[in-house]
Amino acid sequence: QSVLTQPPSVSGAPGQRVTISCTGSSSNIGAGYTVHWYQQLPGTSPKLLISGDNNRPSGVPDRFSVSKSGTSASLAITGLQVDDGADYYCQSYDSSLSGYVFGTGTKVTVL
Amino acid sequence: EVQLVESGGGLVKPGGSLRLSCAASGFTFSSFTMNWVRQAPGKGLEWVSSIISSGNFIFYADSVQGRFTIYRDNAKNSLYLQMNSLRAEDTAVYYCARASSGVTSELDSWGQGTLVTVSS
Repeated sequence: QSVLTQPPSVSGAPGQRVTISCTGSSSNIGAGYTVHWYQQLPGTSPKLLISGDNNRPSGVPDRFSVSKSGTSASLAITGLQVDDGADYYCQSYDSSLSGYVFGTGTKVTVL
Repeated sequence: EVQLVESGGGLVKPGGSLRLSCAASGFTFSSFTMNWVRQAPGKGLEWVSSIISSGNFIFYADSVQGRFTIYRDNAKNSLYLQMNSLRAEDTAVYYCARASSGVTSELDSWGQGTLVTVSS
């Protein structure tokens, strides 16, 4: 059961900017727990994309950026590329569940 | 290079048991919190369980509490998930994942996953 809500899908043409929202509650994002983002390419394991305040693992371009406000967070992808087509998940920690919570996932389609 | 390799998945009947293993290499296993995350076919990610570095603190999702047991052997650089009383809804790819710095931090390394199918 996902506690963080994301739009099922977003799409954009190459070069455009898309954003993915992640809505939580007062026991997770609203409580100040860090939000992290993962990319899952078709048929592969999830990969950490961005942790916390725009901390990108080596190899992740700065076309990916995040923001957070209140009980929500968002991931922005600028200069959309065909290779960005994947599923994206937000994740945080929930104090009432004493464990990680993931977003419902968003499929990004590059038109 | 950090490597996590899961094994032990397979087909099991409802009510049956299965033990998953995760072999870790490329880092000091005994220093990290480890986790199991699953993904049902065509569905999203679901956190299953976490165990801190020493093994002294363990957490479970409500959906598996009382049926699954996570444990680790730091001498063998291995993580395990004992799954009992399996249900159809436990069918999923199970990933082993490392937390970068504690139970609330990001999961910075993932294995390739092992498929568990619960069906009669």
